[in-house]
Amino acid sequence: NAGVTQTPKFQVLKTGQSMTLQCAQDMNHNSMYWYRQDPGMGLRLIYYSASEGTTDKGEVPNGYNVSRLNKREFSLRLESAAPSQTSVYFCASRGDIRNTIYFGEGSWLTVV
Amino acid sequence: LAKTTQPISMDSYEGQEVNITCSHNNIATNDYITWYQQFPSQGPRFIIQGYKTKVTNEVASLFIPADRKSSTLSLPRVSLSDTAVYYCLVGFLMDSSYKLIFGSGTRLLVRP
Repeated sequence: NAGVTQTPKFQVLKTGQSMTLQCAQDMNHNSMYWYRQDPGMGLRLIYYSASEGTTDKGEVPNGYNVSRLNKREFSLRLESAAPSQTSVYFCASRGDIRNTIYFGEGSWLTVV
Repeated sequence: LAKTTQPISMDSYEGQEVNITCSHNNIATNDYITWYQQFPSQGPRFIIQGYKTKVTNEVASLFIPADRKSSTLSLPRVSLSDTAVYYCLVGFLMDSSYKLIFGSGTRLLVRP
């Protein structure tokens, strides 16, 4: 019963480096989301995907790109990491009914 | 940008009832209201969900007035383990797309 799986769990990057956070869900959900959470702050929506092949910007999309590879997978890419992107990143998925979304365990990213 | 509003923090004592209110003036007609709980270093966890009036489950109650512009999460007889951040979540229809935006969260501290 995996639910939403994110990798990697921890990552340290140097400024300017690129990396991709991977996310997969096994609940056959159409909608998937990427949020970031800065220390002591709430969750902010980066990008979301309502269905396979579609993606849309959230509250804070600058500096990120996403790919909805298939129904299961939704990746988040940092092309040129900046210290301001140091945060915890959560992937989530949602079924078609209601607002019940399921979160991954989080990915801790530090940009130095 | 439409958002939800919650108190930043609340204090309580073990055994008391705690009520946390969220305002969501621009909630979409068919949206449900969902509350999540988050412990440090973990992803948010579903608590309760409702559309209108009152919903109760084994851990909480949710009160929603007729105009649905606010909702109140009620935690009966809190314990120390209820110390966490609580988020109100509604779906907002913005720019002809559907986004799920978290509120700022309420940090609940339960004291002995």
